[in-house]
Amino acid sequence: KQEVTQIPAALSVPEGENLVLNCSFTDSAIYNLQWFRQDPGKGLTSLLLIQSSQREQTSGRLNASLDKSSGRSTLYIAASQPGDSATYLCAVSRRNFGNEKLTFGTGTRLTIIP
Amino acid sequence: EPEVTQTPSHQVTQMGQEVILRCVPISNHLYFYWYRQILGQKVEFLVSFYNNEISEKSEIFDDQFSVERPDGSNFTLKIRSTKLEDSAMYFCASSRTGVVGEQYFGPGTRLTVT
Repeated sequence: KQEVTQIPAALSVPEGENLVLNCSFTDSAIYNLQWFRQDPGKGLTSLLLIQSSQREQTSGRLNASLDKSSGRSTLYIAASQPGDSATYLCAVSRRNFGNEKLTFGTGTRLTIIP
Repeated sequence: EPEVTQTPSHQVTQMGQEVILRCVPISNHLYFYWYRQILGQKVEFLVSFYNNEISEKSEIFDDQFSVERPDGSNFTLKIRSTKLEDSAMYFCASSRTGVVGEQYFGPGTRLTVT
């Protein structure tokens, strides 16, 4: 059974710093890895999707990397801003019957201090 | 930008009552999903749906749950006889393809069972 872990559970950093969020998974036979942002009481906003054949994806100040063999992904946020404060979730998928079920981690709650 | 919508945003119901949660997926998407998140816990997969039938369901998705796509736009989750432990945030998601399909999530329906 796939288990997804995110460390740390919470992180506070001053505005402007670069930071890294970690995600690890136990079964390397994944199809995709997706990073989401969740604001309190709100839905999930997709940030980046990395296909299993890729090693990284970039969107603006965000860069996500994937190392399938070691079961790890990192989300790098450059020049953090107070608006980046949210919970960040990673989720891995496996292909089954032509579609993909996502298995989520517990999330990292990020606070950017102005 | 197209988005997944869900109604209602918050539903309060008494134990034993039936509830229907509604979702309108993105219009050209073909794969539909329900997930739930109990307060303070991980987001969990419930069911996936394609071509008018269930593709996969989790062990949570027992006989009390059902899904339906009654027309070309809505996707519903029905809980026949709610229990206290059904209290959670329920998220609908959709993807255009089942393979390498980035899933887009709705804002969620908070279900409170009293």
